[in-house]
Amino acid sequence: AQSVTQLDSHVSVSEGTPVLLRCNYSSSYSPSLFWYVQHPNKGLQLLLKYTSAATLVKGINGFEAEFKKSETSFHLTKPSAHMSDAAEYFCVVSRYTGANSKLTFGKGITLSVRP
Amino acid sequence: NAGVTQTPKFQVLKTGQSMTLQCAQDMNHNSMYWYRQDPGMGLRLIYYSASEGTTDKGEVPNGYNVSRLNKREFSLRLESAAPSQTSVYFCASSGYGTGGVSGYTFGSGTRLTVV
Repeated sequence: AQSVTQLDSHVSVSEGTPVLLRCNYSSSYSPSLFWYVQHPNKGLQLLLKYTSAATLVKGINGFEAEFKKSETSFHLTKPSAHMSDAAEYFCVVSRYTGANSKLTFGKGITLSVRP
Repeated sequence: NAGVTQTPKFQVLKTGQSMTLQCAQDMNHNSMYWYRQDPGMGLRLIYYSASEGTTDKGEVPNGYNVSRLNKREFSLRLESAAPSQTSVYFCASSGYGTGGVSGYTFGSGTRLTVV
């Protein structure tokens, strides 16, 4: 079984300040973890993924996430927010192995960026 | 461009009408999925197909049927549409290789309204 918890449903930051979007997961096997972004009225785009290599994962647009097994966390960060980062962000967990790679989504975090 | 193609992008149905949402991928992925996205609910899995010739129910299958026509195509059918099926529908596909699960590639979505 696997699950994802995104405790914050909405995060608001000022442009130029750091972004922290929290994600905690539960998995009974070695997980793969992903962050997806969805801009308004758009599809979902993969930001980054962790698949048991380096625990600090760098993604697109300056985002990165650190896999912490002891804390069962995979928080997404960015040093300096840009107006274009305003979107909805989903943390996702999957099995690392197996052809049946069903993904489980968190409920999403809406990021607002203030000028 | 390689990816997942969904049609149509928008659709309005009357209660009781039927329709089929089409999805095709050209990445040679084995697994394909149909999700629905509703505000505050994240993405919920309707049906998935781990490989050609197989389909399985997801979290919210009631009112839907699917067909995995071949490796490329996976369609979703609403036999008798209901207002509760008003949603945004996403098709996705995933691959699996030496690096583990590759994550999903999503289509651009179908915005369905049932009146």
